[in-house]
Amino acid sequence: ELKVEQNPLFLSMQEGKNYTIYCNYSTTSDRLYWYRQDPGKSLESLFVLLSNGAVKQEGRLMASLDTKARLSTLHITAAVHDLSATYFCAVYHDMRFGAGTRLTVKP
Amino acid sequence: DAGITQSPRYKITETGRQVTLMCHQTWSHSYMFWYRQDLGHGLRLIYYSAAADITDKGEVPDGYVVSRSKTENFPLTLESATRSQTSVYFCASRERGTDTQYFGPGTRLTVL
Repeated sequence: ELKVEQNPLFLSMQEGKNYTIYCNYSTTSDRLYWYRQDPGKSLESLFVLLSNGAVKQEGRLMASLDTKARLSTLHITAAVHDLSATYFCAVYHDMRFGAGTRLTVKP
Repeated sequence: DAGITQSPRYKITETGRQVTLMCHQTWSHSYMFWYRQDLGHGLRLIYYSAAADITDKGEVPDGYVVSRSKTENFPLTLESATRSQTSVYFCASRERGTDTQYFGPGTRLTVL
């Protein structure tokens, strides 16, 4: 059975710091997605990673995919309060989501 | 309104009742999806549809029925609601050949 594991599940950061969220999955997949969800809101697509070695950046967020290691990372650079949200990765196979990482950025 | 809409936004029902959640998209996307979101589980795919009259099961289809007679609509029916179906339900759509899913605002369903 496909498993998608995110860690950490909860992350409290100080503004200006860097951190990485990890997404491990248990089956072969060459597509991985990252989404953002604000409290009480819907999901917003952040990144679509389509191949091994893919790297995408948007502002302070950078996502990468290593299909051989079955690992994707979401790196946060110099965090700001506006990045506080829950971040989900999802694997294309069966559109299986991780449990989410709730990020809180404190001043 | 353009985009993807869900109705109702909030619903309270009782165990054993039939409930239908509606999803409508204005883009004519080929693919539509239903997910449920529960604390600690992320989102789980219930059913999806690749086109009108084509539907398939996802990870957690038991207790749910879908139909897709028109491209723009994808209703989800709980034939006999149970308390374990209390959840937030999201509909999403995606155009064939693309990878970005667009999510609706969600329906919060409570089964008493």
